[in-house]
Amino acid sequence: AQKVTQAQTEISVVEKEDVTLDCVYETRDTTYYLFWYKQPPSGELVFLIRRNSFDEQNEISGRYSWNFQKSTSSFNFTITASQVVDSAVYFCALRGNTGTASKLTFGTGTRLQVTL
Amino acid sequence: DVKVTQSSRYLVKRTGEKVFLECVQDMDHENMFWYRQDPGLGLRLIYFSYDVKMKEKGDIPEGYSVSREKKERFSLILESASTNQTSMYLCASSLLGTGVNYGYTFGSGTRLTVV
Repeated sequence: AQKVTQAQTEISVVEKEDVTLDCVYETRDTTYYLFWYKQPPSGELVFLIRRNSFDEQNEISGRYSWNFQKSTSSFNFTITASQVVDSAVYFCALRGNTGTASKLTFGTGTRLQVTL
Repeated sequence: DVKVTQSSRYLVKRTGEKVFLECVQDMDHENMFWYRQDPGLGLRLIYFSYDVKMKEKGDIPEGYSVSREKKERFSLILESASTNQTSMYLCASSLLGTGVNYGYTFGSGTRLTVV
């Protein structure tokens, strides 16, 4: 069975602080795909990144960066110099490669509040 | 711009009513999904479909059914709505396979209240 754990329920930071959102996953598949989504107050889920299990290279996109470590089954997300517009719920998700292969399993989400 | 459209943003229904939630995508995606989102529980998969007239149960299918008569449309049906089905419902679609363009596109959600 697949499982995604986001232990941080809520995080509050002051603007310009760096913040890291943790994600730990479990899967028996040797090939799998990890995702991060942002859900702003409007409700729509916005895709941020996809990472394949065979590509452990970390990625940076502007103020966003992702640290994928297979050894610890973690796929953490860091926002540098946070802004008020980053306030949202962030979901980590996992898709395996066997059985109901298209199924995307989500964590419970981390609510990030960025204040002035 | 590619889109997944859910017919209603907010719905209020009475206990025992039959409820239809509609989802349409314009991306020619094979896969379509219905998720339910509840505070502290994240998104949980109700049903999904990988082709017309094909469906598979997700993690929490009880009390729900689905219909996919056309590729672009995936309907979620609450046969007899109950108050514990009050929730945010999210529809998503994706291509079959895992190529470079693979990903999931979500609709804006339908917030259903059953009274």
